[in-house]
Amino acid sequence: DTAVSQTPKYLVTQMGNDKSIKCEQNLGHDTMYWYKQDSKKFLKIMFSYNNKELIINETVPNRFSPKSPDKAHLNLHINSLELGDSAVYFCASSLQADTQYFGPGTRLTVL
Amino acid sequence: GENVEQHPSTLSVQEGDSAVIKCTYSDSASNYFPWYKQELGKRPQLIIDIRSNVGEKKDQRIAVTLNKTAKHFSLHITETQPEDSAVYFCAEGITGANSKLTFGKGITLSVRP
Repeated sequence: DTAVSQTPKYLVTQMGNDKSIKCEQNLGHDTMYWYKQDSKKFLKIMFSYNNKELIINETVPNRFSPKSPDKAHLNLHINSLELGDSAVYFCASSLQADTQYFGPGTRLTVL
Repeated sequence: GENVEQHPSTLSVQEGDSAVIKCTYSDSASNYFPWYKQELGKRPQLIIDIRSNVGEKKDQRIAVTLNKTAKHFSLHITETQPEDSAVYFCAEGITGANSKLTFGKGITLSVRP
């Protein structure tokens, strides 16, 4: 009965690699988000999708490419990983940008 | 919502005491103000929220107050317990299909047993 799920939970990779994080929600929400939480715990929005359409793109390098195959999924692909990409990435979903429910997070470590 | 400030950045209280965390915002159009609690290594979880048509909302030991004129809202936790120790985030935004929440930087609350 998991509401918002992400895979993988942990991701350790070398600089320059390409990686993907997947997110799924079974709440019937129409809006999904990606957040980055850095070591100082600041939660910064990266993207939001409403009904599979990109709504928000917050000055994120174009190495980050979100993809929403349907309303229940929002994946994040990252090309040419850099040290500064190390963080916890949270997926979230909501109905009409109302209360947001977060996934468990993916801790990305770039070596 | 464009900017939200959270005060203080850390707070330490004795078990049983009350804790108050305040946030200020700048966008007068903001109409939704949630509070999230994040325990170490866990996801942020909504604990209470308030909308601009009310001034106060309470749920057991936690309450939120909103002052739209002064553009600030506060989280009140009474009879604090060690399990209340966590990072608390305020957020503000305008509900609607193309909107977003802007989060404060978070405050670390420590409840001393």
